[in-house]
Amino acid sequence: QVQLVQSGAEVKKPGSSVKVSCKASGGSFSDDSINWVRQAPGQGLEWMGGILPVFGSPTYAQRFQGRLTITTDESTSTAYMELRSLTSDDTAVYFCVRDQPTKLKNYFDAWGQGTLVTVSS
Amino acid sequence: QSALTQPASVSGSPGQSITISCTGTSSDVGNFNLVSWYQQYPGKTPKLLIYDATKRPSGVSNRFSGSKSGNTASLTISGLQTEDEADYYCCSHAGRRTYVFGTGTKVTVL
Repeated sequence: QVQLVQSGAEVKKPGSSVKVSCKASGGSFSDDSINWVRQAPGQGLEWMGGILPVFGSPTYAQRFQGRLTITTDESTSTAYMELRSLTSDDTAVYFCVRDQPTKLKNYFDAWGQGTLVTVSS
Repeated sequence: QSALTQPASVSGSPGQSITISCTGTSSDVGNFNLVSWYQQYPGKTPKLLIYDATKRPSGVSNRFSGSKSGNTASLTISGLQTEDEADYYCCSHAGRRTYVFGTGTKVTVL
């Protein structure tokens, strides 16, 4: 049973960057895809992007292109999400989630606990 | 990549059945049988209810069922219970390893 454990809450200034980590255990990290989903306060879920380590290159939702970078460190089974040029609209809970496209499992069956990122001056 | 359209709220009495729709386009819902549904309680992590439009993971109640026709997927909750009061989200694969979520539906048990 895969478990995803995320880094702790962050408070950032507008214009700065945030980097959130997601450590996986109990699964096959290189074969799994890690995605990032965010939820602003009182709002819905939004898929931001994902990466399949065995393929290497990430994919991003169009609205985050140029501002979002998703990477992995296979040696520690950890994925990272870095979002730059933060504004108050980026205040949200950020979840890492797993799918397994190499096994034709295109759905999110494991979720991290969420990381609250607050952007405030 | 516009969000899939869901009704903002749906309500029903205990024991009734309700259906939540999820409308996309021929680029996402209509092009793939890769629609999933998630249940989320306030302050909690979403839980997978349905995958591949109609399949239920082990451990999920058979009161939850999914269907899809054209660009619209649906989640039906039968025998509505008070514990079903939550937010529900659909999600569709949209090609090239991308996904799009629905706008979310708040279910109220009257």
